[in-house]
Amino acid sequence: GENVEQHPSTLSVQEGDSAVIKCTYSDSASNYFPWYKQELGKGPQLIIDIRSNVGEKKDQRIAVTLNKTAKHFSLHITETQPEDSAVYFCAARTEGTYKYIFGTGTRLKVLA
Amino acid sequence: GAGVSQSPSNKVTEKGKDVELRCDPISGHTALYWYRQSLGQGLEFLIYFQGNSAPDKSGLPSDRFSAERTGGSVSTLTIQRTQQEDSAVYLCASSVQVYEQYFGPGTRLTVT
Repeated sequence: GENVEQHPSTLSVQEGDSAVIKCTYSDSASNYFPWYKQELGKGPQLIIDIRSNVGEKKDQRIAVTLNKTAKHFSLHITETQPEDSAVYFCAARTEGTYKYIFGTGTRLKVLA
Repeated sequence: GAGVSQSPSNKVTEKGKDVELRCDPISGHTALYWYRQSLGQGLEFLIYFQGNSAPDKSGLPSDRFSAERTGGSVSTLTIQRTQQEDSAVYLCASSVQVYEQYFGPGTRLTVT
């Protein structure tokens, strides 16, 4: 069945450095890739998304890149801040369906 | 405006008891999802409602789990004869279309 692998499971960076989280999906028909940030005790919050007709999307310090050939997509956070510390999830959805397949999450720690 | 709300925020129950978890989606959102998140894990799809269509129940782990959505708005997830392995955070999400899911804060269920 469909699968989304996410790496790394934990990531520690110094404040101001960049962080990169990578996901690989298995279903070549996947066409929508959201990223969620989940803070302790809260539900996941959509932070950025990308559709398959776009290779890169940026929103201030956050960017997502998509390589359809390799079935990879990545989240890039620049100039990290302590408030970026959270668990980040990637997901993939296949065109014509409504089911999302989620990665297992990355715990990001930004060290002050 | 108001986001997705869930109640209760925490529920402790004894093994074998039934529990009901409630979700109030964002007004006007026709799609509603239930997910289960076990400790340190990703999100596991349980069930999906879209408008007046028959729900997709394919993610429900056993026949002890059921869900309803009344009037196209509020949804209730019911777990009968709870088991310890049912302990998890149950998340509800709603969306206008299949993109941009908005999550509630979740209900943490503990079965003792």
